[in-house]
Amino acid sequence: DGGITQSPKYLFRKEGQNVTLSCEQNLNHDAMYWYRQDPGQGLRLIYYSQIVNDFQKGDIAEGYSVSREKKESFPLTVTSAQKNPTAFYLCASSHLAGDTYEQYFGPGTRLTVT
Amino acid sequence: QKEVEQNSGPLSVPEGAIASLNCTYSDRGSQSFFWYRQYSGKSPELIMFIYSNGDKEDGRFTAQLNKASQYVSLLIRDSQPSDSATYLCAVTPSGGYNKLIFGAGTRLAVHP
Repeated sequence: DGGITQSPKYLFRKEGQNVTLSCEQNLNHDAMYWYRQDPGQGLRLIYYSQIVNDFQKGDIAEGYSVSREKKESFPLTVTSAQKNPTAFYLCASSHLAGDTYEQYFGPGTRLTVT
Repeated sequence: QKEVEQNSGPLSVPEGAIASLNCTYSDRGSQSFFWYRQYSGKSPELIMFIYSNGDKEDGRFTAQLNKASQYVSLLIRDSQPSDSATYLCAVTPSGGYNKLIFGAGTRLAVHP
């Protein structure tokens, strides 16, 4: 089965703890992304990576970190510096279709921090 | 600030009717425009994209783009209750062909 997997589906943490969200894809896509979605809001870009060992900050990178050591994997760490970490986190990957990059999403991880 | 604006809804239409979802964007340099469907509690699914002015049809869905007016819309013909979801509009920012900026979405409710 080709696709994007994220684990776990639900994650609960205490305030002050770092937590790492997993994202794996077997679509052979070069680019991968992390978004955050809050209720009633659109998706906001946290980090993205266009190739292995390279990544760029998105619009809301503060309090988050990523790595891209393998093409298939793009884990996101939510650090204790992130002030409002409770949200729905979505990983995506993209490929070039004609002149346009199409982004596809994983199933998401719902993080609750108390 | 590059923005994508959508009416939050809910847009309520009867089964079998045409649902019309609208989106405006502020960045004149945007080149590609995407529509995603998101069911409650799930991740977004790509419905279709458009990058040329005019209409693009795919089954019951038609995307319409007017770059001069900075306006993109999605028409859903013969709406079904299973089409009830939030529809997200996304655009590529100028200079960022591999990135997307999302609107907050329009909630569509199709009633029998």
